Amino acid sequence: GDSVTQMEGPVTLSEEAFLTINCTYTATGYPSLFWYVQYPGEGLQLLLKATKADDKGSNKGFEATYRKETTSFHLEKGSVQVSDSAVYFCALPHAPGGSNYKLTFGKGTLLTVNP
Amino acid sequence: EADIYQTPRYLVIGTGKKITLECSQTMGHDKMYWYQQDPGMELHLIHYSYGVNSTEKGDLSSESTVSRIRTEHFPLTLESARPSHTSQYLCASSEPRGTGELFFGEGSRLTVL
Repeated sequence: GDSVTQMEGPVTLSEEAFLTINCTYTATGYPSLFWYVQYPGEGLQLLLKATKADDKGSNKGFEATYRKETTSFHLEKGSVQVSDSAVYFCALPHAPGGSNYKLTFGKGTLLTVNP
Repeated sequence: EADIYQTPRYLVIGTGKKITLECSQTMGHDKMYWYQQDPGMELHLIHYSYGVNSTEKGDLSSESTVSRIRTEHFPLTLESARPSHTSQYLCASSEPRGTGELFFGEGSRLTVL
């Protein structure tokens, strides 16, 4: 079935450092791709998404580009802040037909940003 | 702000007790989900519903049960809690357009002694 693999953490960075969290996917066809974020003590929330190849999703200074050639959707931010400390999840639709109703999540990457 | 609420946020209970985790949303979403999040953060879909009187089991087998009598309400029940049920349970709902955006509650952290 369709799946995502994201880099294992934890990742620890200093404030203003560059962030990359890798995510690759295995899928039939070209599903939408998502990044969700979970701040401490909270549920998940959508960070950004891309619906087709070469699309770039962006939000709060984070970016990810849907790359069909490398089946990747890496999350990047040029300058992280302490407030970015959270767990980040890559996700794609669960159903083989690409329905967005159910999502399969990666294992999550814990990011800690130190002042 | 997403309008999806879970209660209780934290629950510590003894083995053998019956528990119900409540989940309510005020967005009128037909589709709702329960995910179990293990200590390593990984999420597993345990139940979902596409509308009133519709419930399905997810990818991870769970001894819990769910019901969907009203659109806004999707409670999860464990008839006899065990220590292996200790986990974080996250409820979510999604828009009818199927955009892929899930709205999550803050979670219910269950500890069974």
